Amino acid sequence: GQNIDQPTEMTATEGAIVQINCTYQTSGFNGLFWYQQHAGEAPTFLSYNVLDGLEEKGRFSSFLSRSKGYSYLLLKELQMKDSASYLCAPMDSNYQLIWGAGTKLIIKP
Amino acid sequence: GAVVSQHPSRVICKSGTSVKIECRSLDFQATTMFWYRQFPKQSLMLMATSNEGSKATYEQGVEKDKFLINHASLTLSTLTVTSAHPEDSSFYICSARGEGGDTGELFFGEGSRLTVL
Repeated sequence: GQNIDQPTEMTATEGAIVQINCTYQTSGFNGLFWYQQHAGEAPTFLSYNVLDGLEEKGRFSSFLSRSKGYSYLLLKELQMKDSASYLCAPMDSNYQLIWGAGTKLIIKP
Repeated sequence: GAVVSQHPSRVICKSGTSVKIECRSLDFQATTMFWYRQFPKQSLMLMATSNEGSKATYEQGVEKDKFLINHASLTLSTLTVTSAHPEDSSFYICSARGEGGDTGELFFGEGSRLTVL
């Protein structure tokens, strides 16, 4: 079957760094997306990895290891507005995104 | 970047009535749009894939006669919840894939929160 494993909730301090891990199992693989979703809002795109390695985009970076079925999202210089859910979504062989429940990130002052 | 607009953002209706939700791609043509439902603290659940000019493809367990999808143009898809009941109350979100084909970024509408009394 297809599944995604992310921590349900994480807490971090404003200005700090946090890493949100994701392991996945899919039928085939066509890359992995990370989305941010604030409460009551639709998801917004953060990153897309299809090759192994680290992709850096401002304060956010995303890493992928296809052989390990593993990805992480790294958030630096945390701001209060980063409090949200972060969704790891791998794409299977049919180009369907597989969604988990996401990780709720709580930022404290 | 590409913009997807969804309307209405909130709707309250009586049990037994039908509700239509619109999803528009504002600055690009979307041959395929996706409709999701999300219950509180749960993951996005794909309901159906809407294909312009053809019938939608529904996921297992989603009643196609209850959730009517119409994708009449390259910029508009609609979801109609027919004979809505309180258990249909949820957050409905549409999305469309931007440039890049099957691996293109998914752009989401703002979502529509449906409350059925």
